[in-house]
Amino acid sequence: SQTIHQWPATLVQPVGSPLSLECTVEGTSNPNLYWYRQAAGRGLQLLFYSVGIGQISSEVPQNLSASRPQDRQFILSSKKLLLSDSGFYLCAWSSPIVGGVTEAFFGQGTRLTVV
Amino acid sequence: GIQVEQSPPDLILQEGANSTLRCNFSDSVNNLQWFHQNPWGQLINLFYIPSGTKQNGRLSATTVATERYSLLYISSSQTTDSGVYFCAVINSGTYKYIFGTGTRLKVLA
Repeated sequence: SQTIHQWPATLVQPVGSPLSLECTVEGTSNPNLYWYRQAAGRGLQLLFYSVGIGQISSEVPQNLSASRPQDRQFILSSKKLLLSDSGFYLCAWSSPIVGGVTEAFFGQGTRLTVV
Repeated sequence: GIQVEQSPPDLILQEGANSTLRCNFSDSVNNLQWFHQNPWGQLINLFYIPSGTKQNGRLSATTVATERYSLLYISSSQTTDSGVYFCAVINSGTYKYIFGTGTRLKVLA
């Protein structure tokens, strides 16, 4: 069966420090991968998605970047964190099918606090 | 881009009551999912329902894609049903799940 791992679960980082969040998927090949952010008490905003290695689509211009160095690995990064980067970050995967994608599944999330 | 609106935004129920949550979307969709976000932030998959009706225990969902809405029914609610319910859709021709605004449900004992 497929599983998705996301770490760390919580993170407290000072303003100006770098960030690296990692997400890996097991049990499937060539998944579509997604990074979402949820501000406190708000909905989920799509940040990046990827349909293959090295293919990244950015949805919202901001202080973050994403990379997909391997088929089932998705990394969210920042060179210098801002206070506004605080939030709950969720990674997700779905399988591509003819004409679209299947059901999406989410990781446990990383709660990031920038101080 | 596609707009996804959920109603009501907030709902308070007594344990045992029934409720209907609604998800409206502004364009044609290929996929639609309902999620429950628990107090720890975890997103639990409830239904994958691009069209038609599905039932799982006390929960059921109906999507009428031609009329651009989906409904989530919760019967005999329990305190463990509390949390935020999201619908998410994939606009036809894209690969992106776009989330609705959410319905925050609180079930009182």
